[in-house]
Amino acid sequence: DGGITQSPKYLFRKEGQNVTLSCEQNLNHDAMYWYRQDPGQGLRLIYYSQIVNDFQKGDIAEGYSVSREKKESFPLTVTSAQKNPTAFYLCASSITSAYNEQFFGPGTRLTVL
Amino acid sequence: AQSVTQLDSHVSVSEGTPVLLRCNYSSSYSPSLFWYVQHPNKGLQLLLKYTSAATLVKGINGFEAEFKKSETSFHLTKPSAQMSDAAEYFCVVVHSSASKIIFGSGTRLSIRP
Repeated sequence: DGGITQSPKYLFRKEGQNVTLSCEQNLNHDAMYWYRQDPGQGLRLIYYSQIVNDFQKGDIAEGYSVSREKKESFPLTVTSAQKNPTAFYLCASSITSAYNEQFFGPGTRLTVL
Repeated sequence: AQSVTQLDSHVSVSEGTPVLLRCNYSSSYSPSLFWYVQHPNKGLQLLLKYTSAATLVKGINGFEAEFKKSETSFHLTKPSAQMSDAAEYFCVVVHSSASKIIFGSGTRLSIRP
């Protein structure tokens, strides 16, 4: 089965802790993306990567970090610097950054206690 | 500057009646336009896309959308609503650059039996 997996589905974090969200794809896509979704709002782009070992900030990158060491993996770290991290996080991929159709994972719901 | 406006945050229709979800966009360039659907606590699934070919675009599950440049609109329609259509719908405008992806705030579609 080809697709995008995100883990865990639910994640709880204490204030002041860093936490890493996993995103893996077996679609052989070059581009990968991280979005944040808050209730009643559309998705906002956190980071994206067009190719291995390269990534760019999106609209709301502050308090987040990413890495792209492998084509299939694009983990997102929510750091303690992110002031309001409770949200639904979605990972997506596309064949290339110029091919606009994106395929989404099932999401991770992060709650800060 | 690019933007996208979904004119209704919530639409409720009866089963078997037509669906209309409205989307207006603003773009300095010829955009690509998309509609995605999101069921509760799930990732997004592509319904349909417009990429400067035919202005009437047919998608999955009986949905279609018409690109009207003069009105800067890309409204989503379906002739007859089904209970399984209840979900959140997002209109998305994309420029060729991966960093120019703008999501609308979403329209929640409810279906009355």
